Parts: sequence; structure tokens; C-alpha cells
Amino acid sequence: QPVLTQSPSASASLGASVKLTCTLDGGHNNYAIAWYKQLPHKGPRYMMKVDFDDNHATGDGIPDRFSGSSSGAERYLTISSLQSEDEGDYYCQTWGSGDVVFGGGTKVTVL
Amino acid sequence: EVQVDQSGAEVKKPGESLKISCQGSGYSFTRYWIGWVRQMPGKGLEWMGVIYPGDSDVRYNPSFQGHVTISADKSISTAYLQWSSLEDSDSAMYYCARWSSSTLAPGKYFDYWGQGTLVIVSS
Repeated sequence: QPVLTQSPSASASLGASVKLTCTLDGGHNNYAIAWYKQLPHKGPRYMMKVDFDDNHATGDGIPDRFSGSSSGAERYLTISSLQSEDEGDYYCQTWGSGDVVFGGGTKVTVL
Repeated sequence: EVQVDQSGAEVKKPGESLKISCQGSGYSFTRYWIGWVRQMPGKGLEWMGVIYPGDSDVRYNPSFQGHVTISADKSISTAYLQWSSLEDSDSAMYYCARWSSSTLAPGKYFDYWGQGTLVIVSS
């Protein structure tokens, strides 16, 4: 079963950029992952899928300030021109060995 | 427009049974897997299982198998998550979500999510 690792928190100033990382374990380092954003007391929202070759599929209505990229076992979600409404919890997810797997989540704070 | 709508909050006592629901609309309900995800207070997302309404094929996270039952009624485009005997530790928010494909495979994901059903189990 894949394992996804995320840093617990990230922060950046209003208008700056922040890059979130989701790391796949070595046995699954070519897997695609999906990113979700969750606001407090709300259901998660699909943001985008990021493949190992940098291809990605963005969810409906997601601003182009959000971009995905990949390097080795790491999958990234970059938020540019950070806005206050970008605060929230961000999760990555993949599927493997018959299981859906989520990372532990990263809490993004806008300073 | 694809929508996934969940039933309302529930307050139950330990040992009671419960069935919560998730109705899909705006798409062909029988052609996409539907999944259930638990979120305990202040914690992350945990996948519980998925069902394919077309043939009621169910896959469980081993951590939840035997404690919950996932089912679907395709005639009313509704999936269910049920417990026969609730425990205090079942208190959580439960989300259902549509899987992006008719296949379970890497590169697929949950593309539409419900608003969540809060379950509180307390004596």
C-alpha cells in the first residue's frame, strides 16, 4: 500500500507563493496523486491531479494561481499570489494495492 | 451539474444502529464508484470503502471491514453507510464522494464531495 507524507504546516505572506509537498514512498514513486483543499467544517474539494510526468488535471473552477508539478517521488501544489481564502487544510491522495490512501494533511496559514 | 447530497446530523447512543445516506445527481449514478471517508475531530481523512452502484461491488479499508456496511440503491441513486452497533469512537464527520472513474486505479480520485454527515455517539 502506498504511503504519502506531508508536512503538517506551511505559511506565507499575503500575495506571496507557497509550495506544498506530498512525498510518495519508494515503492510507489511513479504514482499520480490528487490534491484536495478543506475549509473548516466543510467537505474537501478536489483541486488537481499531478502525475509523475508533470501532467495534471485541474478541478472545476480552480483558479490558475494553483499549479501542480512533480520531481521524483515528490508531488507539489504551488499556490501563487496567496489570498486569505487559500487558508485551509490541504490533503494529497493516491490509490494502490486496493486502497485509497490520504496523506496526513498540511495546514496552510496566510500571514 | 454533479451533486452529492448527504443526510443530516445524527445523535445516537452506544449500541444503537444507524444508516446514513448519500444521493448522487447530475450524472449516471451506476457508472461511478462512490466512497465513504471518515474525519474524526481535529484529524485527517481516512478512507473507509467504496461501492460501485452498477453491480454493488464493495471494497473496504481493512481497518473498517466488519464494523460498517456500505450499500447502494441504484433505483434512487443513493449510497449508504451503516452500523449495527455504534461505539463512542464512531463519533466523527463522514463524507461521501464520487470517484472519478468506473475503475479503481492509480491516477483516479474523488472529484465531487458531499457536505458531510456529523455522527455523535454519546450515552
